[in-house]
Amino acid sequence: GAGVSQSPSNKVTEKGKDVELRCDPISGHTALYWYRQSLGQGLEFLIYFQGNSAPDKSGLPSDRFSAERTGGSVSTLTIQRTQQEDSAVYLCASSERPGTSGRTGELFFGEGSRLTVL
Amino acid sequence: DAKTTQPNSMESNEEEPVHLPCNHSTISGTDYIHWYRQLPSQGPEYVIHGLTSNVNNRMASLAIAEDRKSSTLILHRATLRDAAVYYCILKFWGGNEKLTFGTGTRLTIIP
Repeated sequence: GAGVSQSPSNKVTEKGKDVELRCDPISGHTALYWYRQSLGQGLEFLIYFQGNSAPDKSGLPSDRFSAERTGGSVSTLTIQRTQQEDSAVYLCASSERPGTSGRTGELFFGEGSRLTVL
Repeated sequence: DAKTTQPNSMESNEEEPVHLPCNHSTISGTDYIHWYRQLPSQGPEYVIHGLTSNVNNRMASLAIAEDRKSSTLILHRATLRDAAVYYCILKFWGGNEKLTFGTGTRLTIIP
């Protein structure tokens, strides 16, 4: 596809369950970001992958959150033992390396995965 | 992270120009100014970016102050579809890094 694809688009789960959210970035984009957005709030940075470098995990709110990016492409965000405060829209974005075709690495976002923890 | 400051909300009448301000007094020489917007129930989308000179594209114009400590996103003729949250962000040219989105400006268009 031409854009960033996220799945599932909606996920309802029970407190304590684990969930996995998937992001398929734009082909060739070296950087991948995860953000989350609670209702009516701004975007909260979670984690950032750049090529083969170690990811910047500084935004992960607790050790229940983890993410991996396999083969420099698809990424999975895993939330273990979900809590009600984890309910939010989880947004993934990807970007090219700055300088590619004169671009400055603008982010392309997916539609998000809405997580509801009951 | 270099910080940006935007008004929480603004209103504008349909078919009139809109000027959305952003202050970034701690901007460094290698920071680009990027604007994104988020339509209701969608992920953010890129609008425009600039370094020093004013920029125009099909979506908007970006006016950058001479000292680069502030910028203004200009929508020349607002439509109802322009109602969104607009984010002003500073982005280092030299590489990808985490981008900090503030709370942005919620723009309401009055029919």
